[in-house]
Amino acid sequence: AQSVTQPDIHITVSEGASLELRCNYSYGATPYLFWYVQSPGQGLQLLLKYFSGDTLVQGIKGFEAEFKRSQSSFNLRKPSVHWSDAAEYFCAVGAPTAAGNKLTFGGGTRVLVKP
Amino acid sequence: ETGVTQSPTHLIKTRGQQVTLRCSSQSGHNTVSWYQQALGQGPQFIFQYYREEENGRGNFPPRFSGLQFPNYSSELNVNALELDDSALYLCASRNPPSGSDEAFFGQGTRLTVV
Repeated sequence: AQSVTQPDIHITVSEGASLELRCNYSYGATPYLFWYVQSPGQGLQLLLKYFSGDTLVQGIKGFEAEFKRSQSSFNLRKPSVHWSDAAEYFCAVGAPTAAGNKLTFGGGTRVLVKP
Repeated sequence: ETGVTQSPTHLIKTRGQQVTLRCSSQSGHNTVSWYQQALGQGPQFIFQYYREEENGRGNFPPRFSGLQFPNYSSELNVNALELDDSALYLCASRNPPSGSDEAFFGQGTRLTVV
């Protein structure tokens, strides 16, 4: 069975500083990996996804993530954080089924942005 | 806006009651998944419907049940509510094989069981 671990529950970063969120996964086959963002009281918005190919993937809002099979990691990065990036971020692994991917989520990392 | 709408947005129920949550999927999407997100946790997969049939289920008891209708909208039903059922319930729709396989989430229904 697949699982996802996000080791950092909270991260505080200054506006303009860089951000890296860690994600480690466990899955027996080639993983489908996702990062979602959730603002307070909102649903989930997809930031980026990895299915195959280039291990560095670009997403929306200036985010990128790097897939490292040897480390079972899919860390999310942003070079310069904006106050609007304050939110909760979830890493997820997809298990393929006949009708698409079932998602297993990590526990999330809450990002606070200091002015 | 993802095009996935859920109703109601908030709901308060008493322990032992039954509840029905609704989801209208994005136009053209034939697959709907439901997730439970307890406070401070990541979403947990409840089940998935594809063309009106359940085709995957997570570790939830049978009192969690669902339906998908010919227009691909969906319901989540929970019987004999327990206090631990208090959570945000998220619906997600997709349309495989679209190639992107992205799941589009609704805003969720916040259920409080007292």
